Amino acid sequence: NAGVTQTPKFRVLKTGQSMTLLCAQDMNHEYMYWYRQDPGMGLRLIHYSVGEGTTAKGEVPDGYNVSRLKKQNFLLGLESAAPSQTSVYFCASSFVLAGHEQYFGPGTRLTVT
Amino acid sequence: GEDVEQSLFLSVREGDSSVINCTYTDSSSTYLYWYKQEPGAGLQLLTYIFSNMDMKQDQRLTVLLNKKDKHLSLRIADTQTGDSAIYFCAESIFGGSQGNLIFGKGTKLSVKP
Repeated sequence: NAGVTQTPKFRVLKTGQSMTLLCAQDMNHEYMYWYRQDPGMGLRLIHYSVGEGTTAKGEVPDGYNVSRLKKQNFLLGLESAAPSQTSVYFCASSFVLAGHEQYFGPGTRLTVT
Repeated sequence: GEDVEQSLFLSVREGDSSVINCTYTDSSSTYLYWYKQEPGAGLQLLTYIFSNMDMKQDQRLTVLLNKKDKHLSLRIADTQTGDSAIYFCAESIFGGSQGNLIFGKGTKLSVKP
C-alpha cells in the first residue's frame, strides 16, 4: 500500500495563477482532509470530506476549493494564488471522522511569488 | 473554542528523558494524540490515549493524561538523536462540528549528542 500520496511535491506559482493539488489514498478511507502548515501556526484545516461527493469547510477555507469526485482522491484548488497561500500543504485520510488516527501524506511545498 | 497549547522548543542531551507537555481546553475530547514530524516529512502518529485513561506506555514512550487539569504529556525515555523532530499534540472531539483534529503548534525537540 502506498498510503497517502500527494502531487506535486514542490511548486512555485506567480500571484494570480491557478493550480490543483492532488491527494490520493489507497486505504479505502471515507474521510479526507487538507491542512496547511505555517511556521509558528501548527496545522490548520482548510477543507475536509466525509465521503465521495461531499466536502465541508474547515478553519481556513477562503481562497481554496476542493472536490471529491472519487473516494480515493481529494483535490485542493487555488483559483487565483496569493503570496499568503505560500505554505506546506498536507493531505490526510482516516477511517472514522476525527475519532482515530489520521494518515498524512508527505506534503506539498507551495511558494507564491 | 477548542485550543491546544504546547511549548515551542525543548533541548535535551542524548540518553536523557524528554518530557513534552500539552494543555487542551475541550473537556469533551475523546482521544488525544501525539504525532511526530521529521524534517521535510508528513506527520506520523506516535501514540494516542483515550480520554478515560490516565497513562499509556509503549516501549520508550509514556503518555500521561490529567483530565482534571486538561494536561497531556509525552515522555521519551533514553532520548536518541533520531528523536529530534517536531512533536504535535492533538485532540479529537466525538461529534465535533468540524470533524477534524485540533493540533497544537508543535514542540521542536533537539537532541544533543
